[in-house]
Amino acid sequence: NAGVTQTPKFQVLKTGQSMTLQCAQDMNHNSMYWYRQDPGMGLRLIYYSASEGTTDKGEVPNGYNVSRLNKREFSLRLESAAPSQTSVYFCASRDLLGQKKSNQPQHFGDGTRLSIL
Amino acid sequence: TQLLEQSPQFLSIQEGENLTVYCNSSSVFSSLQWYRQEPGEGPVLLVTVVTGGEVKKLKRLTFQFGDARKDSSLHITAAQPGDTGLYLCAGGTSYGKLTFGQGTILTVHP
Repeated sequence: NAGVTQTPKFQVLKTGQSMTLQCAQDMNHNSMYWYRQDPGMGLRLIYYSASEGTTDKGEVPNGYNVSRLNKREFSLRLESAAPSQTSVYFCASRDLLGQKKSNQPQHFGDGTRLSIL
Repeated sequence: TQLLEQSPQFLSIQEGENLTVYCNSSSVFSSLQWYRQEPGEGPVLLVTVVTGGEVKKLKRLTFQFGDARKDSSLHITAAQPGDTGLYLCAGGTSYGKLTFGQGTILTVHP
């Protein structure tokens, strides 16, 4: 039972390089999310996809783009990496269907640790 | 923007002590969730509270949602080293989005 799988687990980039963080979930969830986690700042939402075919900005979207490739996959792209984007990135998914929508947890991957030099 | 202020940011206690973590906001949330995160892993849900004044217990952990649904607390009785970790509160908003507090790093010493 894999849940939410993120790749890669670690990455070091140089300033200006680009890369895509991959996320896939096998729980048939309709909503997916990308967060970044920095010390003392909790988790901040970068982008989310409420359902397949839709994406929306979160709290800190600048410098990022996303693609909801299909119901399972939601990728995050850094077009021109900057040192300020050094962080741990988490992907999450959630099932919003059914009567108890607000009780549903977000299921998180184990994160991608990204360092930009 | 809805904000959640979580306190304290750090908590270092001895095994057997009690502790309380607070989560406060000026905004009303539809639900309040508490997550626990271990190093190298993603957060895992502990509990969800949805009704103002609701109290839920999970073994030695007691969670409370404020009457006005703007604040919440997590109380741990007789803390154990296995309780060590990062505790995050998160308020539910539209489209299943969550607003997270800054987190509380709890260390329980044997």
